[in-house]
Amino acid sequence: GESVGLHLPTLSVQEGDNSIINCAYSNSASDYFIWYKQESGKGPQFIIDIRSNMDKRQGQRVTVLLNKTVKHLSLQIAATQPGDSAVYFCAEIENAGNMLTFGGGTRLMVKP
Amino acid sequence: DVKVTQSSRYLVKRTGEKVFLECVQDMDHENMFWYRQDPGLGLRLIYFSYDVKMKEKGDIPEGYSVSREKKERFSLILESASTNQTSMYLCASRTSYEQYFGPGTRLTVT
Repeated sequence: GESVGLHLPTLSVQEGDNSIINCAYSNSASDYFIWYKQESGKGPQFIIDIRSNMDKRQGQRVTVLLNKTVKHLSLQIAATQPGDSAVYFCAEIENAGNMLTFGGGTRLMVKP
Repeated sequence: DVKVTQSSRYLVKRTGEKVFLECVQDMDHENMFWYRQDPGLGLRLIYFSYDVKMKEKGDIPEGYSVSREKKERFSLILESASTNQTSMYLCASRTSYEQYFGPGTRLTVT
């Protein structure tokens, strides 16, 4: 099972720097991916998604990159702010009839 | 904006009590889910529903039941709460792919 909260990998960045959070997924047939942000004591918040027919998608201050060859997903946050401090995790799904599979998560800590 | 709401943010119940957790979504999604989230174990699926009055067991349904009488509302029921059901409970709803979560209910069973 995935681990959330305990023994999470942690990324510590300085405010204003860019952050890159990585996720390795397991199913080469996965068609759709989501990045979530979860602040302490709150539910996961949908940040950005990407379909498998794309390799890059940009949102506001966030970019998701998909490398299907190595089954790797990354979330880039530009000009990281203290409010970005949270646990970030990816989710994958093969098709609309399946359940989401969640990654283990990375804790992002932003130093002011 | 998609909105998934849960009836309580924090709840404290005694062992043996019947507990109702309610979830409402306003996006006319067919699919709704209940998860629990525990440190070190991540998100675990309890039950899901893909239509009114339909329900399917997830990975850990024991000790729980659900009700979906209306499309927008999905309830999780703990028939007789136990201390090992102390957890963060998360409701979610989904279109075909995009899945949105509610704010969570932190349930403590004493």
